[in-house]
Parts: sequence; C-alpha cells; structure tokens
Amino acid sequence: GNSVTQMEGPVTLSEEAFLTINCTYTATGYPSLFWYVQYPGEGLQLLLKATKADDKGSNKGFEATYRKETTSFHLEKGSVQVSDSAVYFCALSDEVGNEKLTFGTGTRLTIIP
Amino acid sequence: NAGVTQTPKFRILKIGQSMTLQCAQDMNHNYMYWYRQDPGMGLKLIYYSVGAGITDKGEVPNGYNVSRSTTEDFPLRLELAAPSQTSVYFCASSSYRNTEAFFGQGTRLTVV
Repeated sequence: GNSVTQMEGPVTLSEEAFLTINCTYTATGYPSLFWYVQYPGEGLQLLLKATKADDKGSNKGFEATYRKETTSFHLEKGSVQVSDSAVYFCALSDEVGNEKLTFGTGTRLTIIP
Repeated sequence: NAGVTQTPKFRILKIGQSMTLQCAQDMNHNYMYWYRQDPGMGLKLIYYSVGAGITDKGEVPNGYNVSRSTTEDFPLRLELAAPSQTSVYFCASSSYRNTEAFFGQGTRLTVV
C-alpha cells in the first residue's frame, strides 16, 4: 500500500536558518505529492504540490521537488521566520485505485527569534 | 467564502453517549473525508465518500458511522463514545483525488 515517511520532529531553528524537512514515499502508481501546513488551533492548509516527476512546487518561500528516482519530496526554505512555526505534513494522492490522501506523521517546526 | 465548515468546535462527551459531528462544504466537491488526529500523531482516515450516496471505510472506522445524502453534507456519527475516541476530528473535501483537499477547522472531542 501507499505510505509516507517524514523526518522525525520536533525541529527547532533560529530565525533566518535554512530548513529541510525530509519526506519519502511508497506508491503503486504515479502519485501527486503535497505539503500541508497546520498552524496552532487551525486545520490543514495546502502549502505546495507537485503532480509529476521533476516538478517543483513553491509557495511563501518554501520549495519541494518531486524526485521519482529517490521517491522523495523534501521541503526546503532558505531563511525561516518565526511565523513559519507550525506542523508540516507530507502527503500523497495516488492515481491508481486509491481514493484518499495518505499523510505522513507531521513535523513540528519551532523558530526562535 | 465558507469552504468546509465543521460544528461543533469543542465537545465533551461521557462514555457511552452518542453524538454527530457535522461537516458541510459549499464548493460542490465530490470527495469528502473524515480524519482524526491524535496528539503528536499524523492524520488517520476514518471514512470517505466519493459522491452522494457512496461511502467507504478508511483506516480506523470502528466506532463510527457516516452518511452522504447530499453533495454538501457528510456527518460523522459516534454511537457509543469511548475514551479512545478522544481526538481532534477534521473534515476535508476535494474535487478529485489528486487535487487539493480543503480542511475544516476541526472538532476537539474529549470523552470522559
């Protein structure tokens, strides 16, 4: 079956540091890949997505590249801000026979000034 | 823009009580989902629906029931609440399975 493995958290960084959150996946077909963000007390919001190999999703300074050869979709940001503190979820949606999103366990990110 | 609306936001239930978590979306999405999020954990799919009149079980359906009589509404029913059902419940919808899912703000349920 499908699965998503995310970097264990929590992650604590200083403001303006470089961020990487690792995500790898297992899927039967050719999935679409997503990063969702959950701010305290809120539901999940889509941060970025990529629908095919070598696509790069980007939003709010965050980027992730769909790497089929390594089955990865790592999230990066060059200079984090305190407002980026949240929980980040990697997810996939498989086009083959699967009607749902499969989520990773989430990575809690805290940015300190 | 309402998006996905969940009610209530908070609820405390006693063991053995029943309740319905409401979810409504105004985006004419075919796909709707119920997830639960336990502290420090990811999201686990309880039930999903690919259209009115069609529902199917997810990873953790035991203790829950759903119905989908309209495109807009997807209520989740807890028949006999147990402490293990203490969690935050999220409803979500999407137009198709490979497209963005929109989430409600969640219902925090405590069973005591």
